Amino acid sequence: NAGVTQTPKFRVLKTGQSMTLLCAQDMNHEYMYWYRQDPGMGLRLIHYSVGEGTTAKGEVPDGYNVSRLKKQNFLLGLESAAPSQTSVYFCASSETSGGQETQYFGPGTRLLVL
Amino acid sequence: AQSVAQPEDQVNVAEGNPLTVKCTYSVSGNPYLFWYVQYPNRGLQFLLKYITGDNLVKGSYGFEAEFNKSQTSFHLKKPSALVSDSALYFCAVRVPSYSSASKIIFGSGTRLSIRP
Repeated sequence: NAGVTQTPKFRVLKTGQSMTLLCAQDMNHEYMYWYRQDPGMGLRLIHYSVGEGTTAKGEVPDGYNVSRLKKQNFLLGLESAAPSQTSVYFCASSETSGGQETQYFGPGTRLLVL
Repeated sequence: AQSVAQPEDQVNVAEGNPLTVKCTYSVSGNPYLFWYVQYPNRGLQFLLKYITGDNLVKGSYGFEAEFNKSQTSFHLKKPSALVSDSALYFCAVRVPSYSSASKIIFGSGTRLSIRP
């Protein structure tokens, strides 16, 4: 049981390049989330998904797209990377979203946009 | 608007002494409150949560937190700090709703440093 895994662990991009971050969970969770973590700002929700085939915008969705084609995977895409997207990205999953559930986090992806 | 505040960027405590990491919240309904810990180069790990019932919640690694509705606080505490407790701690709040997903709001984090 690997929990939540993220690939890659680290990436350097040039402005304007695109990339996809992959999140996978083996806990059969319905809900998945993408956050970004910036110094002094905690975690901010980018997009989330309440189930296979569904996605929704979070607090800071601009410049990102997501897809949830399979229940276990949640992809975060950057179509045209900008230096402002330099951050650490965390994926999380939870069983439901009634409010009581615990979120399980992946180890993070460190992205540097030059 | 929902919000959560961690007023201290850093807390320094000597090993063996009690520690407190502060958290206050602002929500329109009854909150669900969480504490997570982040060790270097790792994702967040769940410590404890308050949903309802007893205001004193016990969690992992000997940590506990007290829900105070009148002061809208949920401070994290431990009676005797360990050097291994040094990490970044996040308080989070969620208001339950009947929408498709209720989102969790994280505080900015407090770095806890325990000196030997």
